[in-house]
Amino acid sequence: NAGVTQTPKFRVLKTGQSMTLLCAQDMNHEYMYWYRQDPGMGLRLIHYSVGEGTTAKGEVPDGYNVSRLKKQNFLLGLESAAPSQTSVYFCASNQRVNTGELFFGEGSRLTVL
Amino acid sequence: EDKVVQSPLSLVVHEGDTVTLNCSYEVTNFRSLLWYKQEKKAPTFLFMLTSSGIEKKSGRLSSILDKKELFSILNITATQTGDSAVYLCAGTNFGNEKLTFGTGTRLTIIP
Repeated sequence: NAGVTQTPKFRVLKTGQSMTLLCAQDMNHEYMYWYRQDPGMGLRLIHYSVGEGTTAKGEVPDGYNVSRLKKQNFLLGLESAAPSQTSVYFCASNQRVNTGELFFGEGSRLTVL
Repeated sequence: EDKVVQSPLSLVVHEGDTVTLNCSYEVTNFRSLLWYKQEKKAPTFLFMLTSSGIEKKSGRLSSILDKKELFSILNITATQTGDSAVYLCAGTNFGNEKLTFGTGTRLTIIP
């Protein structure tokens, strides 16, 4: 009964370091998304994927890369972390947008010093 | 660029009060509007609205969409402390598989 699982849940990085956030879903969903949430800014879409092997840019893609090599996994990479990337990151998935409901992971809190 | 605006940004009421949260949208080729509740962690789904004037209801929560005036409201009656959360609305459009979220309304219920 896992749903959407994100790892790690917390991470502290120094400026310039790289890291990857992993999102895994076990619901066989086609669509997967990475959002960031900052105080007063709501949820902003970073990148998304409409199926295995596909990715697309969202509102705030700069400084991030993604890959969807397997249907169940969606990876978010930071090649050279900056303090502006300090945020809470949420992964989400759904079968199709017109079903409405996005299933969210519990979030990953990233701090860049 | 699609835009979703929520008001008020925050609201503090006493337990038992009724509240109305607002969401206005400018979404090209609009498909649906969704409401989510976010407590400590991940947002959880409340409603999806696609048609004007048809109220969706779940217990003490209800929501309605006005596609002419481009807004939606979320009503919570007889509020309880467990209703304290951030409420998010989001718009979707046809042909574009993503949601545009508003900044949320932080609702605090005082016992």
